[in-house]
Amino acid sequence: DTAVSQTPKYLVTQMGNDKSIKCEQNLGHDTMYWYKQDSKKFLKIMFSYNNKELIINETVPNRFSPKSPDKAHLNLHINSLELGDSAVYFCASSQGWGDSYEQYFGPGTRLTVT
Amino acid sequence: TQLLEQSPQFLSIQEGENLTVYCNSSSVFSSLQWYRQEPGEGPVLLVTVVTGGEVKKLKRLTFQFGDARKDSSLHITAAQPGDTGLYLCAADVIMDSNYQLIWGAGTKLIIKP
Repeated sequence: DTAVSQTPKYLVTQMGNDKSIKCEQNLGHDTMYWYKQDSKKFLKIMFSYNNKELIINETVPNRFSPKSPDKAHLNLHINSLELGDSAVYFCASSQGWGDSYEQYFGPGTRLTVT
Repeated sequence: TQLLEQSPQFLSIQEGENLTVYCNSSSVFSSLQWYRQEPGEGPVLLVTVVTGGEVKKLKRLTFQFGDARKDSSLHITAAQPGDTGLYLCAADVIMDSNYQLIWGAGTKLIIKP
């Protein structure tokens, strides 16, 4: 059984397009996250939602808009894609937010903008 | 500024050898986590250390949290090809009143058969 799933796994698109990545967790967790991993493998938090409410919103261009329709889903919509958006995007979830909560990661979505 | 520095960035050794990778910071953390990430997959938690000086063992992997809770090490004994992967350390910090997990850049480990 997949704990945290993301779709699509690969996404190749042209500059200027709008695209969405979907994430679902079946762990009953309250908190979900979006991370960006660049070509040097550095993971950087983008957003975090707890009980459908935004709690972390890092310095991310407002072309990126997360949406959490319910606790089990956190989707990421990206407008006007740019070359620099190419990266692997990971969704994760944890039981709560705070110290020492284990985060469970999805398999990632590799976004390539041409 | 990267709060967590991992070293080495890359390590390639023969099967059966021992190795140690490090995660260092000038900041004090209440806890620190180690993850392993395999190609095409997301990171998977290996261990969380919370007490200064704590040592945790996971089969051939030994994790230690520094006494001052600023650094951690991961030692692998008799490395196996299955240990190949990207090892990431991460720590909780409070930024703008919110807990946030910050990450090191990782150590890419290759174990050659």
